[in-house]
Amino acid sequence: NAGVTQTPKFRVLKTGQSMTLLCAQDMNHEYMYWYRQDPGMGLRLIHYSVGEGTTAKGEVPDGYNVSRLKKQNFLLGLESAAPSQTSVYFCASQFREIQETQYFGPGTRLLVL
Amino acid sequence: AQSVAQPEDQVNVAEGNPLTVKCTYSVSGNPYLFWYVQYPNRGLQFLLKYITGDNLVKGSYGFEAEFNKSQTSFHLKKPSALVSDSALYFCAVRPFTGGGNKLTFGTGTQLKVEL
Repeated sequence: NAGVTQTPKFRVLKTGQSMTLLCAQDMNHEYMYWYRQDPGMGLRLIHYSVGEGTTAKGEVPDGYNVSRLKKQNFLLGLESAAPSQTSVYFCASQFREIQETQYFGPGTRLLVL
Repeated sequence: AQSVAQPEDQVNVAEGNPLTVKCTYSVSGNPYLFWYVQYPNRGLQFLLKYITGDNLVKGSYGFEAEFNKSQTSFHLKKPSALVSDSALYFCAVRPFTGGGNKLTFGTGTQLKVEL
């Protein structure tokens, strides 16, 4: 049982390039989330999904897109990377009941030059 | 909208002394409250949560937290700190109803335990 995994661990992009971050969970969780972590700002929700084929915007969705084609995977895309998107990105998942705990992946460190 | 405040960016404690990391929250209605810990270059690890019932919640690694509804607080405590407890701690809140299943996090408190 690997829990929540994220690919890649680290990536350097040039401004304007695109990339996709992959999150996978093997706990059969219905809900999945993408956050970004910046110094002094805690974690901010980018997008989330309440089930296969559904996505919704979080607190800071601009510049990102997501897809949940399979229950176990949640993809985060950057179509045209900007230096402001330099951050550490975390994926999380949980069962749908509201009292349930979110479980986090190890993070992807992204540097946009 | 819900919010979380962690008023201290850093807390310094000597090993063996008790530690407290403060958290206050704002939600409409009753809250679910969580504490997470983050070690360097790692993801967030769940420590404990308050759902209902006893106001004193016990969690992993000897940590506990006390829910105080009148003060809207959920402070994290440990009776005797260890150097290995040094890490970044996040408090998070989710309302009982409404707000979906979205967690709102505080900005984090860096705990430093020294010999």
